[in-house]
Amino acid sequence: GDSVTQMEGPVTLSEEAFLTINCTYTATGYPSLFWYVQYPGEGLQLLLKATKADDKGSNKGFEATYRKETTSFHLEKGSVQVSDSAVYFCALSINDYKLSFGAGTTVTVRA
Amino acid sequence: NAGVTQTPKFQVLKTGQSMTLQCAQDMNHNSMYWYRQDPGMGLRLIYYSASEGTTDKGEVPNGYNVSRLNKREFSLRLESAAPSQTSVYFCASKGQGSPPLHFGNGTRLTVT
Repeated sequence: GDSVTQMEGPVTLSEEAFLTINCTYTATGYPSLFWYVQYPGEGLQLLLKATKADDKGSNKGFEATYRKETTSFHLEKGSVQVSDSAVYFCALSINDYKLSFGAGTTVTVRA
Repeated sequence: NAGVTQTPKFQVLKTGQSMTLQCAQDMNHNSMYWYRQDPGMGLRLIYYSASEGTTDKGEVPNGYNVSRLNKREFSLRLESAAPSQTSVYFCASKGQGSPPLHFGNGTRLTVT
């Protein structure tokens, strides 16, 4: 079935460090891909998305490029801040109704 | 700007007790969802309702029932709670077309 695999955490970084969280997917069709972020005590919020191959999603300094050849959608940020500490989820959607989520990666940024 | 509202925020149940988790959205969305979040397992879909009047099973429906009461409200019921249902439960909604989903802040349920 359709699924997402993302790198295990936790990830601990210093402020201004470069962040990469790997995400690969398996899908029978042509999925849309998403990154969601969950701050402590809150629900998930959409961070960025890409709907077709070679699309780049970006928001709040984060970027991810939909790579069909490697079935990947890695999340990157060039200089993280303490406020980026959160759990990040990669997700895919084949149809309009259902999303499949990865296990989540906990990121902690230290001042 | 309420979005998706879940009640209660916290709940402790004894094994065998029943309860209903409530969810309401004010965005006029057609589709609503119930997920559970467990450490290391991400979010798993319990049930969803693609539109008012319809409900469908997700990945992990056993032990749960749902009711799409109207377009705004989608409740999740545990008839006989088990310790394996200890989790954080999220309700979400979506308008027409592709995601994204809009999530509530979650209900943390502990079954002892």
